[in-house]
Amino acid sequence: SQELEQSPQSLIVQEGKNLTINCTSSKTLYGLYWYKQKYGEGLIFLMMLQKGGEEKSHEKITAKLDEKKQQSSLHITASQPSHAGIYLCGADSGSARQLTFGSGTQLTVLP
Amino acid sequence: ETGVTQTPRHLVMGMTNKKSLKCEQHLGHNAMYWYKQSAKKPLELMFVYNFKEQTENNSVPSRFSPECPNSSHLFLHLHTLQPEDSALYLCASSQGSYTDTQYFGPGTRLTVL
Repeated sequence: SQELEQSPQSLIVQEGKNLTINCTSSKTLYGLYWYKQKYGEGLIFLMMLQKGGEEKSHEKITAKLDEKKQQSSLHITASQPSHAGIYLCGADSGSARQLTFGSGTQLTVLP
Repeated sequence: ETGVTQTPRHLVMGMTNKKSLKCEQHLGHNAMYWYKQSAKKPLELMFVYNFKEQTENNSVPSRFSPECPNSSHLFLHLHTLQPEDSALYLCASSQGSYTDTQYFGPGTRLTVL
């Protein structure tokens, strides 16, 4: 079965700093989804990547998909306290008929 | 607001109780999902319904019983749960296939005493 490893598990940054979160798959990626979760709440969809080399941006968040490395990265520029939360990646391995999710990266942004 | 609502938001129940979780989606989607999220563990898919038909059951114990009366509503009936069933239960919906973007509800925080 597919496994997704997210790194780091937790991250504390000062407001205004840039940061990157990685999601690495044990299998070929056919689709990669990024979500944000506030503690104890539901997941908010951020972006979906499907093709190798694809890059998408929304406000100050950019996600990229490296098909060869079976990895996606999420980059936040000039972080703000509103970016704090848990970032989860979900992926389609093409064979399991369901998405597999990583354990999440807990982001804290200090004002 | 994601267009997916869940009630109740919090539930405390004893091991002998029977309760139900409700999920409603206002997005016109045809697929609905139940996930379990436990501390420090990845989301676990429990059930999938597509056009009201159950298409996936990930070896979930029979004390969890799903019901999907129509494409907009999904229930999870709970009976004689165990303390290890305490978790956040998330409902999601998507247009059709599991590869369509899934939109999640706020979750029900379940505590089993």
